[in-house]
Amino acid sequence: KQEVTQIPAALSVPEGENLVLNCSFTDSAIYNLQWFRQDPGKGLTSLLLIQSSQREQTSGRLNASLDKSSGRSTLYIAASQPGDSATYLCAVEADRGSTLGRLYFGRGTQLTVWP
Amino acid sequence: GAGVSQSPSNKVTEKGKDVELRCDPISGHTALYWYRQSLGQGLEFLIYFQGNSAPDKSGLPSDRFSAERTGGSVSTLTIQRTQQEDSAVYLCASSNPTGGASIADTQYFGPGTRLTVL
Repeated sequence: KQEVTQIPAALSVPEGENLVLNCSFTDSAIYNLQWFRQDPGKGLTSLLLIQSSQREQTSGRLNASLDKSSGRSTLYIAASQPGDSATYLCAVEADRGSTLGRLYFGRGTQLTVWP
Repeated sequence: GAGVSQSPSNKVTEKGKDVELRCDPISGHTALYWYRQSLGQGLEFLIYFQGNSAPDKSGLPSDRFSAERTGGSVSTLTIQRTQQEDSAVYLCASSNPTGGASIADTQYFGPGTRLTVL
């Protein structure tokens, strides 16, 4: 069974710092990897999706990389802002087959950016 | 609609009662997913609907849980004889898979239903 681990579990930094959030997964046979943001009491917002054939994706101050063979992904947040405070979730979609469409989630990194 | 909607947003029920949770996916999305997020736990896959195919029910934790998707759109998750361990946030997501790995496979999530079983 695919297991997803995120490190660190929590992170508190001053505004302006560049951050790296880590995600690892046990089965490299993935279809894609997605990073989500979850604000308290709300649903998930998709930030970036990296296809299995890609190495990275960028959106604004966010950059996500994928090393499928080693089972790792990182989310890089540049010039962090208080509005970035949220829980960041990493999820992998298993290779299409019996687990079609299913996302396996990590437990998230709770980020606090203080002014 | 503009996004995935779920109702109710909060549900408090007594142990042993049945509950129904509703999900309205994004219009045109063929795939619909239910997940559960328990306190201190990660998101857990429950069930997946894709078009007219038989749903993938392998994530349902017990036979007290069932789900339907009528007309390829709205879905209802039913929990019978609720237990305290069923307390969680139930999240619904939809997508429009392309059959290949693409950005269109992004799953869009609703705000969730917070279920509390007393």
